[in-house]
Amino acid sequence: DQQVKQNSPSLSVQEGRISILNCDYTNSMFDYFLWYKKYPAEGPTFLISISSIKDKNEDGRFTVFLNKSAKHLSLHIVPSQPGDSAVYFCAASDGSSNTGKLIFGQGTTLQVKP
Amino acid sequence: GAGVSQSPSNKVTEKGKDVELRCDPISGHTALYWYRQSLGQGLEFLIYFQGNSAPDKSGLPSDRFSAERTGGSVSTLTIQRTQQEDSAVYLCASSKNREEQYFGPGTRLTVL
Repeated sequence: DQQVKQNSPSLSVQEGRISILNCDYTNSMFDYFLWYKKYPAEGPTFLISISSIKDKNEDGRFTVFLNKSAKHLSLHIVPSQPGDSAVYFCAASDGSSNTGKLIFGQGTTLQVKP
Repeated sequence: GAGVSQSPSNKVTEKGKDVELRCDPISGHTALYWYRQSLGQGLEFLIYFQGNSAPDKSGLPSDRFSAERTGGSVSTLTIQRTQQEDSAVYLCASSKNREEQYFGPGTRLTVL
């Protein structure tokens, strides 16, 4: 069963516009959510995170929104830049687990066109 | 500072052979994770080490997979009698806490 889902495999936006990447989850025990960015032939790099006690976290051009009732989170990138073109993974952590292992979505490939 | 390193970066092997993948975590990081990413899929958790505690092996797909972490630092993931479905990118991550995990570049395993 896919506990974390990114239903859009790809997204294309124009440079300077907003990119919105979406993620849905099913496990109500998830209490920490992260976004990772991955370039080809590299490991994922941490981008931004949010705890379930918040509904918004902002870091520069990146903002993550969490809607717990809908079990949905989104990543907003404003303004989008060509260097943001990468695969973005949403991940979640189960607060009842001692391990901190992350459950990842399938990823969304973002292309920002100049 | 040095990040997580993994070796080899690429490994091609024949079906039925054993392979060993190595991970050097960031110094001082007590937690170490192995994930794998199959083609077109997200990352799949395999195993977790934390200090001297018993590892969480709940993600290992079969008993052909095993992992060790020696001295609380370097880890080796071993796949015995490799199968074609084992072909994937194997990623190692380390962290100080349960939030931010820092990933290595991965080992791309191809089983012919």
